[in-house]
Amino acid sequence: EIVMTQSPATLSVSPGERATLSCRASQSVSTNLAWYQQKPGQAPRLLIYGASTRATGLPARFSGSGSGTEFTLTISSLQSEDFAIYYCQQYNNWPLTFGQGTKVEVK
Amino acid sequence: QVQLVESGGGVVQPGGSLRLSCAASGFTFTTHGMHWVRQAPGKGLEWVALILYDGSNTYYTDSVKGRFTISRDNSQNTLYLQMNSLRAEDSAVYYCAKDRLYGDLSFDYWGQGTLVTVSS
Repeated sequence: EIVMTQSPATLSVSPGERATLSCRASQSVSTNLAWYQQKPGQAPRLLIYGASTRATGLPARFSGSGSGTEFTLTISSLQSEDFAIYYCQQYNNWPLTFGQGTKVEVK
Repeated sequence: QVQLVESGGGVVQPGGSLRLSCAASGFTFTTHGMHWVRQAPGKGLEWVALILYDGSNTYYTDSVKGRFTISRDNSQNTLYLQMNSLRAEDSAVYYCAKDRLYGDLSFDYWGQGTLVTVSS
């Protein structure tokens, strides 16, 4: 099983600042990597697939990068609606696995 | 618009069974793989199972193999999860989700989830 490790567990950021979230895979997943956002009481929402492609309608302030084992989700200027938990997911190998999540909170 | 609506959750005793359903609309159900993903209270996401667009193949995470069965009725645009021999650790919100397209196992739409509680 591929283990996905996200860091940091919690990121404290002020509105308008840049947020950088990391996701590391225990073995290569090529670019078969997705990012999701989850707010309390809601289902996850797809943000990024293929490591760097924004989902339909996603604001340009969200960007994804990386390949192999190291991936990054960047939010260039945090808006109030961006404070949430973010998960990465690999879909290169069975079973499909998620990271444990990074909580982005207001500083 | 795409809608996925789960139902069937509830409280069940350890060793019991439950069948979840997911009614799909707003997309061509017969061309998409469908998944179940669960989330224990206060915890992260765990993929549970996948069924291909035509039901020809199914895949499971190890912890549910032999106990859970994913199935679909393409004539009714409905996904199912039959859960047998339930354990306390199966307690979670269960989401159905559709894959983005064939060969891409990211999940572009999710239902609102249904809560399963396994407790005596």
